[in-house]
Amino acid sequence: QKEVEQDPGPLSVPEGAIVSLNCTYSNSAFQYFMWYRQYSRKGPELLMYTYSSGNKEDGRFTAQVDKSSKYISLFIRDSQPSDSATYLCAMSGHLTGTASKLTFGTGTRLQVTL
Amino acid sequence: KAGVTQTPRYLIKTRGQQVTLSCSPISGHRSVSWYQQTPGQGLQFLFEYFSETQRNKGNFPGRFSGRQFSNSRSEMNVSTLELGDSALYLCASSREGDEQFFGPGTRLTVL
Repeated sequence: QKEVEQDPGPLSVPEGAIVSLNCTYSNSAFQYFMWYRQYSRKGPELLMYTYSSGNKEDGRFTAQVDKSSKYISLFIRDSQPSDSATYLCAMSGHLTGTASKLTFGTGTRLQVTL
Repeated sequence: KAGVTQTPRYLIKTRGQQVTLSCSPISGHRSVSWYQQTPGQGLQFLFEYFSETQRNKGNFPGRFSGRQFSNSRSEMNVSTLELGDSALYLCASSREGDEQFFGPGTRLTVL
């Protein structure tokens, strides 16, 4: 079993919909949680970064972390066709030292249709 | 501020050859990490360099190696290429204790 599980999709939603993307993990040492967006043939772009449990909002994006359930979510409000991309969750135990390496989910491919 | 740059962007090699990929981090970033991305395995951590020292290493064979120079630029080398090494190789840089920012990647095809 992988340390981080993520539904690969594809997930297809109409423009304007609320999108919910999720990851589960098994390593209780993870404390730092990130969401990256990756367009086709590009490198991942950091969207959101959260430490420990709680919510964080940035514009149309909200990241949630529930450490007790080992479950993280990314919500996208008022989805746009430009949001069509692969969304990767990533996590680490620390930001420095030997536990700073990122462990990624496999990514969820999102398609927002007109 | 310039982002992470990687060269070359595309490479085609044959089995048994070796390859060297280059990464220039964001100015001021001293940590450089390398990842391999494939459709089957996703993004997998290769290794991290900080101040010219390898600080972290993933579960890859010894054919995969890297180094970092005093200006924080990094190179990774893959020797005796195998078909399964075909992948997008991504470099990420960060300040100590900060988020990682990725480059566009080098797409390696092994024939």
